[in-house]
Amino acid sequence: EIVLTQSPGTLSLSPGERATLSCRASQRISSSYLAWYQQKPGQAPRLLIYGASSRATGIPDRFNGSGSGTDFTLTIRRLEPEDFAVYYCQQYRSASGTFGQGTKVEIK
Amino acid sequence: EVQLAQSAAEVKKPGESLKISCKGSGYTFNIYWIGWVRQMPGKGLEWMGIIYPGDSDTRYSPSFEGQVSISVDKSISTAYLQWSSLKASDTAIYYCARVDWDSYYMDVWGKGTTVTVSS
Repeated sequence: EIVLTQSPGTLSLSPGERATLSCRASQRISSSYLAWYQQKPGQAPRLLIYGASSRATGIPDRFNGSGSGTDFTLTIRRLEPEDFAVYYCQQYRSASGTFGQGTKVEIK
Repeated sequence: EVQLAQSAAEVKKPGESLKISCKGSGYTFNIYWIGWVRQMPGKGLEWMGIIYPGDSDTRYSPSFEGQVSISVDKSISTAYLQWSSLKASDTAIYYCARVDWDSYYMDVWGKGTTVTVSS
């Protein structure tokens, strides 16, 4: 089973700052099968990025995904108040999927 | 509008059985996988497994294989997650999600079903 390790565990930033979140896979995965989600307290997760770099419908362009192989990144260009949440990466390979443990982006 | 409607919260005792549901609407149910995700209290997301309604092809995470059963009734556009004997450690929110047929990302999510197992 592929393990996804996200870092940092918590990111303390101010509105307007740039957030850079990392997701590292224990084995190489296809970029097609790497997605990012946002979850706010009491809500279901929401798809942000699929195929490592494609924004889902309705996602603002301040959210950008990049990477390949084993290293993937989610960048939030200028944090808005509504962006403070937990972010998860997720992969699918060999008939099974896994999520990373999450990165919490909190207000500094 | 594409929606996934999940069944109501459940409170069960250890050893009891349970089947929760996820009904899709607003899209062609048979051509998208449905996935199940667990979130234990205060913890992260865990990928449990997916099922393809068209032919009931089912894939489980090794962590959940044998612990739960995923099924579907495509005639009523509904997927299920089932336990034969619940444990206290099954206490969690369970989300269903529509899964892209090609890249396996989860693009539409249900609101979740809270399952509480307590004696």
